Amino acid sequence: GQQVMQIPQYQHVQEGEDFTTYCNSSTTLSNIQWYKQRPGGHPVFLIQLVKSGEVKKQKRLTFQFGEAKKNSSLHITATQTTDVGTYFCAALTNHQAGTALIFGKGTTLSVSS
Amino acid sequence: KAGVTQTPRYLIKTRGQQVTLSCSPISGHRSVSWYQQTPGQGLQFLFEYFSETQRNKGNFPGRFSGRQFSNSRSEMNVSTLELGDSALYLCASSFSRTSGYNEQFFGPGTRLTVL
Repeated sequence: GQQVMQIPQYQHVQEGEDFTTYCNSSTTLSNIQWYKQRPGGHPVFLIQLVKSGEVKKQKRLTFQFGEAKKNSSLHITATQTTDVGTYFCAALTNHQAGTALIFGKGTTLSVSS
Repeated sequence: KAGVTQTPRYLIKTRGQQVTLSCSPISGHRSVSWYQQTPGQGLQFLFEYFSETQRNKGNFPGRFSGRQFSNSRSEMNVSTLELGDSALYLCASSFSRTSGYNEQFFGPGTRLTVL
């Protein structure tokens, strides 16, 4: 079935540095969702992108959906220790038994102060 | 509004046993999805239910099954447990039938350890 690939798998930054995670697919996606999971916690929805070339911002977070709807990125400006966690992208993809929301393997961000 | 609840939170079983996990979605949500999370494989889709019907199933063996009740509560069952079934099992609910287009609300998960 379709997959969404996320890179990098891990990223360590100094507090105040920027951070970007990328999500790629070999096929056109109908949508992309982003979730954050804090250590020991559960995934929490951040945002959904649907339109080609869409850009959405949430304070220091910027989300982009590629023009071809095959890739997406999440950029965090001036990271803080509260940004620590694993960021997942997820997309509605075709499965054997229909469609399902399939998650990338995530990018784990650590931040040192 | 209360969030998604999952019981039990922690479970230890031995190989060959079976286990049943429970999920209560947010009130009003009719779609429930189950995911298995492991360090190596990440979040893997198990199945999705809407109005008591299984809509989708991931690539897991038949030992993994589930059901949904008329009040939208869902259970998943794993029979003949294997060591590799040790994982965090997450349940997520969403409002509409096309759950992939809607925000998924995750529960805290059930941590299953198989010895």
